[in-house]
Amino acid sequence: DAGITQSPRYKITETGRQVTLMCHQTWSHSYMFWYRQDLGHGLRLIYYSAAADITDKGEVPDGYVVSRSKTENFPLTLESATRSQTSVYFCASSPLYEQYFGPGTRLTVT
Amino acid sequence: AQSVTQLGSHVSVSEGALVLLRCNYSSSVPPYLFWYVQYPNQGLQLLLKYTTGATLVKGINGFEAEFKKSETSFHLTKPSAHMSDAAEYFCAVSDQGGSEKLVFGKGTKLTVNP
Repeated sequence: DAGITQSPRYKITETGRQVTLMCHQTWSHSYMFWYRQDLGHGLRLIYYSAAADITDKGEVPDGYVVSRSKTENFPLTLESATRSQTSVYFCASSPLYEQYFGPGTRLTVT
Repeated sequence: AQSVTQLGSHVSVSEGALVLLRCNYSSSVPPYLFWYVQYPNQGLQLLLKYTTGATLVKGINGFEAEFKKSETSFHLTKPSAHMSDAAEYFCAVSDQGGSEKLVFGKGTKLTVNP
């Protein structure tokens, strides 16, 4: 099916572990984004990418790493998870102007 | 830097009543403006957008918004609320055009009472 998917949808991990959240889009949109959503903070941009092999930091990049070797994939890695990274993570892609969001990954760090 | 203010983190209306969700922005250049809706445990869905042209923009589910440059506002309205409209609504601005970063407001949770 066309669209944007995220996996896993739910993840529980322990402090200090590395975890990777996957994002895949079938539209071949140039731009892709990672956000986290927390009560009281709304949506905050973590990283974004203008094209394959081009990434840039957003508002809250510390503790996260991204890569984009293919246009359709934009994985987000937490190198050493901390409790403060417990959140809902959304991936989005954009052809022009508007962004289209995935269903989200709910991550809990214990 | 651009910013978005949504007045009222919670809005409650009766079914059939007018829905008005307020959004004000600041931008150094002509903005592109968006409204998104988020239902529980789902991602954000685009309701409508303003880029250029007509300042009254119609979106999905009977919603519309009007871009008022003099007031730096982009309020979202719907003449008659339905129970299914209960959700969280986010206003966003991009002042770069294209696919640059969006800045989101903190959201307004809409409750519709029977």
